[in-house]
Amino acid sequence: SQQGEEDPQALSIQEGENATMNCSYKTSINNLQWYRQNSGRGLVHLILIRSNEREKHSGRLRVTLDTSKKSSSLLITASRAADTASYFCATDADTDKLIFGTGTRLQVFP
Amino acid sequence: NAGVMQNPRHLVRRRGQEARLRCSPMKGHSHVYWYRQLPEEGLKFMVYLQKENIIDESGMPKERFSAEFPKEGPSILRIQQVVRGDSAAYFCASSPRAGGTDTQYFGPGTRLTVL
Repeated sequence: SQQGEEDPQALSIQEGENATMNCSYKTSINNLQWYRQNSGRGLVHLILIRSNEREKHSGRLRVTLDTSKKSSSLLITASRAADTASYFCATDADTDKLIFGTGTRLQVFP
Repeated sequence: NAGVMQNPRHLVRRRGQEARLRCSPMKGHSHVYWYRQLPEEGLKFMVYLQKENIIDESGMPKERFSAEFPKEGPSILRIQQVVRGDSAAYFCASSPRAGGTDTQYFGPGTRLTVL
């Protein structure tokens, strides 16, 4: 079955730097979503990008989608310590459930 | 508009006991999904329900696990005769339409510890 994979598995940066996380998947999709999870907490929805979209922005977040390469990237600009969390991509190939990747653990140092 | 609510937030059970996890979807949402997250891993789909119907239980273990979403009240994920391997965080999500076409909103999760 389809499985998303995030790259890198872990990322450490200084405040103010940009953070880029990548996600690859295996089968065709309708949508791709990015979620954030703080340690020991639930998931917060960040952004949804549809298969016919190539780029989407939300505040300091920029998401791209390349369906020909079956990949997506999440860029966080001007990172803050509060951005420290795990970030997951999720796809919906089967339309009724989300398939999550393994996540990127982002650490932003003040 | 309250978000997805789950209770309890933490649950400790001894091996062989039963665990009941509850999920109240967001107001107006009739689609509920349960996911399990093992430590340091991503979420894995378990089951998708609409009111009084199980739509997809392909991610649910065949034994000891069951789920329901009655006409009235919260959705329940039930684990009978728990084992240590059931220790995980269980998340519920809801959406107003089938998940592939809309955002799924997640609850805070129930962290199950089996002693």
